[in-house]
Amino acid sequence: NAGVTQTPKFRILKIGQSMTLQCAQDMNHNYMYWYRQDPGMGLKLIYYSVGAGITDKGEVPNGYNVSRSTTEDFPLRLELAAPSQTSVYFCASSYKSSSGNTIYFGEGSWLTVV
Amino acid sequence: GQQLNQSPQSMFIQEGEDVSMNCTSSSIFNTWLWYKQDPGEGPVLLIALYKAGELTSNGRLTAQFGITRKDSFLNISASIPSDVGIYFCAGLIATGGGNKLTFGTGTQLKVEL
Repeated sequence: NAGVTQTPKFRILKIGQSMTLQCAQDMNHNYMYWYRQDPGMGLKLIYYSVGAGITDKGEVPNGYNVSRSTTEDFPLRLELAAPSQTSVYFCASSYKSSSGNTIYFGEGSWLTVV
Repeated sequence: GQQLNQSPQSMFIQEGEDVSMNCTSSSIFNTWLWYKQDPGEGPVLLIALYKAGELTSNGRLTAQFGITRKDSFLNISASIPSDVGIYFCAGLIATGGGNKLTFGTGTQLKVEL
């Protein structure tokens, strides 16, 4: 039962470096999301996708980019890492059942920018 | 953006006690979700509520979708040490452009043996 898989689990970046957080789901969900969670706070939406080839900005998109070339994968890219991007990043996916929508999360990626 | 007020911020209770926490919003949601997050882990879905007035249980957990669609509560009965963690409510709006999930700020639960 893989569900939503994120890699890497931990990463330290220097200011100005670039990196990609990988996210894959094997549940055939159409919707995928990237959230960030700062200490003691709830999650904030960075970007989301309603299907392959379609992405849209969330609440805090600045400094990030995403792509959705397949249903399964939704990578998040940081082009010029800044200390303000030190956070925990969660990927999620969802489906719509006859009852409603349910969102499932990956285990998180801890990113530190120094 | 939308704001979800979750209370209390933290609770320190005795093992065996019942726990209640709630979320209120200025906006209407289609769905309410309750998650638990342990340290170093991602949020794990506990209960999903899809209809106003719906009352749903999952073991010792019971949650309700408020009639006004602007609030929800979560009750935990007979708390045990493994209930420790941070509980988040989340309200979801399903739009043509996707699902927008707004999180509360969390309730940290600590259980004293």
